Amino acid sequence: SAVISQKPSRDICQRGTSLTIQCQVDSQVTMMFWYRQQPGQSLTLIATANQGSEATYESGFVIDKFPISRPNLTFSTLTVSNMSPEDSSIYLCSVEQSPNQPQHFGDGTRLSIL
Amino acid sequence: GQQLNQSPQSMFIQEGEDVSMNCTSSSIFNTWLWYKQDPGEGPVLLIALYKAGELTSNGRLTAQFGITRKDSFLNISASIPSDVGIYFCAGLFSGSARQLTFGSGTQLTVLP
Repeated sequence: SAVISQKPSRDICQRGTSLTIQCQVDSQVTMMFWYRQQPGQSLTLIATANQGSEATYESGFVIDKFPISRPNLTFSTLTVSNMSPEDSSIYLCSVEQSPNQPQHFGDGTRLSIL
Repeated sequence: GQQLNQSPQSMFIQEGEDVSMNCTSSSIFNTWLWYKQDPGEGPVLLIALYKAGELTSNGRLTAQFGITRKDSFLNISASIPSDVGIYFCAGLFSGSARQLTFGSGTQLTVLP
């Protein structure tokens, strides 16, 4: 399966700042997704990153808070904007390598906001 | 939205014992997936199920896609210490959207 690299692996940020998380795949993939995993919780889908167009956001997530880019078939970014302590979570990128194949995940970005 | 109920929430077992966990849904799924997440890592795919009634094995792991398409179980036989982790089920209702719905997870502890 594809090798998925996320950067940074962890960060500690100040309230009110923004952080951009990168997801790089070693091969072209059809679909890329961003998830949030709050402490001790399961995974919740934030949005589907669409190549060359605006991301598709799930209920409860908005573009102003979580802008997403996907300029090509191997790379995507998620920005967590104007952070507050409630944004402290693990943010995970996943990919679907080809149609109807199961999703594979990166190792996540562990974000703490002070 | 779709809800997945995963049980048990946690399990403490002796090394060598068998383990069973399951997920039930309020809606039907076309695909069931089982993932394992170790501390500091992302979920790793264990088994994928694509047909109602399908029974699939991966080493000591066996999973089944329920006939009603609303449930799935995962069995682990002869548990070993490296089985420790959080196990998640996930369901997919195929379509253009491709969004996964995750269960709440089962935390497995294997005692020596």
